[in-house]
Amino acid sequence: GAGVSQSPRYKVAKRGQDVALRCDPISGHVSLFWYQQALGQGPEFLTYFQNEAQLDKSGLPSDRFFAERPEGSVSTLKIQRTQQEDSAVYLCASSWDRPTNEKLFFGSGTQLSVL
Amino acid sequence: AQTVTQSQPEMSVQEAETVTLSCTYDTSESDYYLFWYKQPPSRQMILVIRQEAYKQQNATENRFSVNFQKAAKSFSLKISDSQLGDAAMYFCAYRSPRDDKIIFGKGTRLHILP
Repeated sequence: GAGVSQSPRYKVAKRGQDVALRCDPISGHVSLFWYQQALGQGPEFLTYFQNEAQLDKSGLPSDRFFAERPEGSVSTLKIQRTQQEDSAVYLCASSWDRPTNEKLFFGSGTQLSVL
Repeated sequence: AQTVTQSQPEMSVQEAETVTLSCTYDTSESDYYLFWYKQPPSRQMILVIRQEAYKQQNATENRFSVNFQKAAKSFSLKISDSQLGDAAMYFCAYRSPRDDKIIFGKGTRLHILP
């Protein structure tokens, strides 16, 4: 695709439900990031993949959050037993290589509302 | 740990005028990267401008320029000839060369008055 694609665009979940958020990076992009953006805040880092390897998951807020990228392309962020504090926009970003000098391309995010 | 502070939650500017958005950061590193990102209502973050700390010259991209003051740890964004399409949230961001993640400030919402 022409850009980073995220689905669904909106997700409403009842507290306690499990959700899965999908990110399709630009084809060939090696690096992939997930960020969480609470209302009125800046994005906060969750996790980083280089190809299929999850190199940094220090930002995942709890063990209810899990991310994978099994074939080094599409990534899924899974949140188990959702809580109200999980309500946020989840942004995905990708780049050709390690983002030392590479531009990051962002998707339009998934807005998660937990009721 | 590095932090990024944007002290202006909202700003307004008349169309065609110039506006400056402020950003300060805290780091003990001597080499790093600084960014300004724009986030319109579509939520997609768009890179506006970037600055490498080892470069003394301030970065410019058309109507956008920065005032990088390394000693003061200040990185402001100047938008000249403001246009209605510039209305958005603007985020200042930092990245260490030893790390891959970007640290964002809380953002400044910019309104353009016609």
